[in-house]
Amino acid sequence: NAGVTQTPKFRVLKTGQSMTLLCAQDMNHEYMYWYRQDPGMGLRLIHYSVGEGTTAKGEVPDGYNVSRLKKQNFLLGLESAAPSQTSVYFCATLGPTSGEQFFGPGTRLTVL
Amino acid sequence: AQTVTQSQPEMSVQEAETVTLSCTYDTSESDYYLFWYKQPPSRQMILVIRQEAYKQQNATENRFSVNFQKAAKSFSLKISDSQLGDAAMYFCAYRGSGGGADGLTFGKGTHLIIQP
Repeated sequence: NAGVTQTPKFRVLKTGQSMTLLCAQDMNHEYMYWYRQDPGMGLRLIHYSVGEGTTAKGEVPDGYNVSRLKKQNFLLGLESAAPSQTSVYFCATLGPTSGEQFFGPGTRLTVL
Repeated sequence: AQTVTQSQPEMSVQEAETVTLSCTYDTSESDYYLFWYKQPPSRQMILVIRQEAYKQQNATENRFSVNFQKAAKSFSLKISDSQLGDAAMYFCAYRGSGGGADGLTFGKGTHLIIQP
C-alpha cells in the first residue's frame, strides 16, 4: 500500500520547456489535488479533481493544465515553464470520512 | 475567500517544555474543518491533529492538543513535553464544508525549534 506517490521527485527545466508531473494513488479516493509550496508560504491549491474525467481550477491555476483520465492518476502539466513556476509541488487525496488529505512526498521543480 | 493567519514565523522551546502555536482564520461558514500539519525537513506533510467546527470538545492526540475558539476564530496547537523530533514547520489549514471541492487553505507556517 504505497498511498500517494509522485513522479519525478526532482526536475530542472529551462524556460519554455514542458513537462508533466504524475500523481498516483492506491487508496481509491475520489478527490485529488495539486498544490504548490513557495518559500515562506503555505501550500496553495492549483487544480483539483472530484472524480475520474473531471477537473477544476483552484487558487493559482494559471500556467498549468491537469487531466484525470484514470481514477488513480492525476497529471499536472506545464506547457511552457517559467521561472515563476519554480516551486515544490504536492499532490493530495481526500479521505472519504475523516476529511483528512493525504499528501505525496512532493516534487521539487526548478525552472532556469 | 477564507484566510488563515499564523502570526509566529518562528518559535523556540526547550526540550520537555510546552509550546503553543497560534492560528487564526477568517470564514463566513459555520461548518468547516481545521487541521495542523507538520512538515519536517523531509518535506512530507504529516497530519498532526484535526478539529470539526461543530464539535465543541477540543481535539487531542497524545502530546498534541488544540484550543479551538469558534467565536474568536482561533485554533492554537499545544505541544506538551516537546521532543527533538517535533522540530519542523507547522501549518494550520482550513477546509470548508463544500465536500471534496474544497481544497485546504494554509497559513504561512511556524518554524518550531527544539532546544536540547
